[in-house]
Amino acid sequence: DTGVSQDPRHKITKRGQNVTFRCDPISEHNRLYWYRQTLGQGPEFLTYFQNEAQLEKSRLLSDRFSAERPKGSFSTLEIQRTEQGDSAMYLCASSSRDRGRSPNNYNEQFFGPGTRLTVL
Amino acid sequence: LAKTTQPISMDSYEGQEVNITCSHNNIATNDYITWYQQFPSQGPRFIIQGYKTKVTNEVASLFIPADRKSSTLSLPRVSLSDTAVYYCLVGAYMDSNYQLIWGAGTKLIIKP
Repeated sequence: DTGVSQDPRHKITKRGQNVTFRCDPISEHNRLYWYRQTLGQGPEFLTYFQNEAQLEKSRLLSDRFSAERPKGSFSTLEIQRTEQGDSAMYLCASSSRDRGRSPNNYNEQFFGPGTRLTVL
Repeated sequence: LAKTTQPISMDSYEGQEVNITCSHNNIATNDYITWYQQFPSQGPRFIIQGYKTKVTNEVASLFIPADRKSSTLSLPRVSLSDTAVYYCLVGAYMDSNYQLIWGAGTKLIIKP
C-alpha cells in the first residue's frame, strides 16, 4: 500500500504529557498537511510543508504544537503538555506540488487514516 | 472572519440528483474550490476541484458563479454508497495569514 500512513492510530495519554505523531506521505509528494478534526466538525488546518519548509501555520495553533519535516519526507507533530481540549483526530495529508504558493491550487490531497488522541 | 457555510444535512433517494451549496465569501483571489467526501473513521477523499464556471468529472459536477462567493456540488443519480459527509474547502486570508478553510460539512443520507 503506497498511500499516506500515520502512526499511531490511537493514543491515550494523561493531561500534561507530551505526545508525538508520525506521518509518512506518498513518496513522490512534496507537500504535507496536518489537520485536527473533532466529532461533527470539518478538518481544522494546522500547518503545511513544502519539502522541508513549513510554509503556513494556523494562528489557532498554540505554542504547545510543533511540526517538523526534517528531510522533506516523513513529518512529526508534537503536542506538549497535552490538555483535554486536544482530544481529537489528527489527520495528515500529502499532495504533489502545483504552480504557486497556495496549498489549495489544483492539487488533490490524499489523507491518511488519522491518529485519534484521547487526553484523560 | 473567513469561513465557509454549508447545510448541516440533506436527505435524498437513490437515483436522484443531489446539489449541495457552499458559501465562501472570503475566498482568496487565486484559490481553487475543492470538495471532499468523508466516511466514518476515514480521512476525507477528493471529489472535484474548480476555479470558475463549471467542472465535471466522472463522479460529480461543480458549478461556480462569476463572483466565486459560492459553489454547488452536484452528484448525479446518487446511490446508497454516497451516504457520507461532504466538505467544501477554500483558501482565504485572515489578517494576511493564509488559511485553508473547511466547511463544517453536509451530512448526506441517501434512502432506498
